[in-house]
Amino acid sequence: GENVEQHPSTLSVQEGDSAVIKCTYSDSASNYFPWYKQELGKRPQLIIDIRSNVGEKKDQRIAVTLNKTAKHFSLHITETQPEDSAVYFCAARPGGSYIPTFGRGTSLIVHP
Amino acid sequence: DTEVTQTPKHLVMGMTNKKSLKCEQHMGHRAMYWYKQKAKKPPELMFVYSYEKLSINESVPSRFSPECPNSSLLNLHLHALQPEDSALYLCASSQEQGTTYGYTFGSGTRLTVV
Repeated sequence: GENVEQHPSTLSVQEGDSAVIKCTYSDSASNYFPWYKQELGKRPQLIIDIRSNVGEKKDQRIAVTLNKTAKHFSLHITETQPEDSAVYFCAARPGGSYIPTFGRGTSLIVHP
Repeated sequence: DTEVTQTPKHLVMGMTNKKSLKCEQHMGHRAMYWYKQKAKKPPELMFVYSYEKLSINESVPSRFSPECPNSSLLNLHLHALQPEDSALYLCASSQEQGTTYGYTFGSGTRLTVV
């Protein structure tokens, strides 16, 4: 089955800095990679996703990059704000399956 | 309606109680899921229903019993739980096919077993 590794487990940045969270996956058949943000006590919410036929996708201050050859994908947040503080989960989903495998999560702390 | 609604939001139950968690979606999604989540950990898959049939049971103890009465509703019946079962229980739904791949999670039920 798919195995997703996520790093770092904790990331502390100053407001205005950039943050990068990295994930690797094992199954070359995975073709869909969503990222979820979960604030304390709330549900995981999809913030951005990328499919295997695309190398990069941006949405305002967040972007995701995918390197299929190396089997890794990353979340980039620019100009971080305190409200970006949350746990972020990456996931990978093999083609033909509708079940994603989640990474272990990154706790992002943005200091004002 | 783009929401997955879960009730109750909070539940405290004793180890001898029987209770049920409810989940509802009206997005026409044909796959529905139950997850268990401990603090700062990723969601752990428990059950998957596809077209109202149980398709995946991730070796969950029998004290958890899922039910899918129709394509919009998903229940999780709880009986004789243990304190270690205390967690956030998340329901999710997704389209199986088509261009929309992402899950939509409900707000969850915070369960405490005493």
